[in-house]
Amino acid sequence: GAVVSQHPSWVICKSGTSVKIECRSLDFQATTMFWYRQFPKQSLMLMATSNEGSKATYEQGVEKDKFLINHASLTLSTLTVTSAHPEDSSFYICSASLRGKGGSQGNTIYFGEGSWLTVV
Amino acid sequence: QKEVEQDPGPLSVPEGAIVSLNCTYSNSAFQYFMWYRQYSRKGPELLMYTYSSGNKEDGRFTAQVDKSSKYISLFIRDSQPSDSATYLCAMSYGNNRLAFGKGNQVVVIP
Repeated sequence: GAVVSQHPSWVICKSGTSVKIECRSLDFQATTMFWYRQFPKQSLMLMATSNEGSKATYEQGVEKDKFLINHASLTLSTLTVTSAHPEDSSFYICSASLRGKGGSQGNTIYFGEGSWLTVV
Repeated sequence: QKEVEQDPGPLSVPEGAIVSLNCTYSNSAFQYFMWYRQYSRKGPELLMYTYSSGNKEDGRFTAQVDKSSKYISLFIRDSQPSDSATYLCAMSYGNNRLAFGKGNQVVVIP
């Protein structure tokens, strides 16, 4: 199946600094990528939808100025957590939808391995 | 984000037993229903995908959807220790956006 890669897998940063997480579709073009956040024992919560070449669409309650998303190409989206604080510590997961099979179908969505962020 | 209810209580079963998981939802806008398996500290892996009421089988896995009751289920037959993981239900509400349940941690005891 299609592969989505995230980097880094683990990151520890100091409070107040910014950290960038990359999401790459390795063997397919992804017109749309999604960023989720998962706190321990909680469900994955969609943060934003990222479309190549346009501004991301954020879900209600997600601060767009704090979580900067860039989708510069059909294979790369980045999430930057700015001025990170301990409450931002979480598991961040991206997913990508396979180009040419859009619409509302969920079976063409592939998830990355996730990135653990710890803010100290 | 749309709400999906999944009782997150852990579930322990002996090897060979049938695992039964379910989710409920209230929003009729959900059209596609999925079950994902997630191992500890890993991304979710798609197990089953359905879009209509009824049953869908894939090997030891059966996904069941009842749109009139807004209820979906996943059954795992002949469970194996390797099936031990967290199982998440997910529903699509348009443009590939997914709403997830909290997940059920399943432990299959050898």
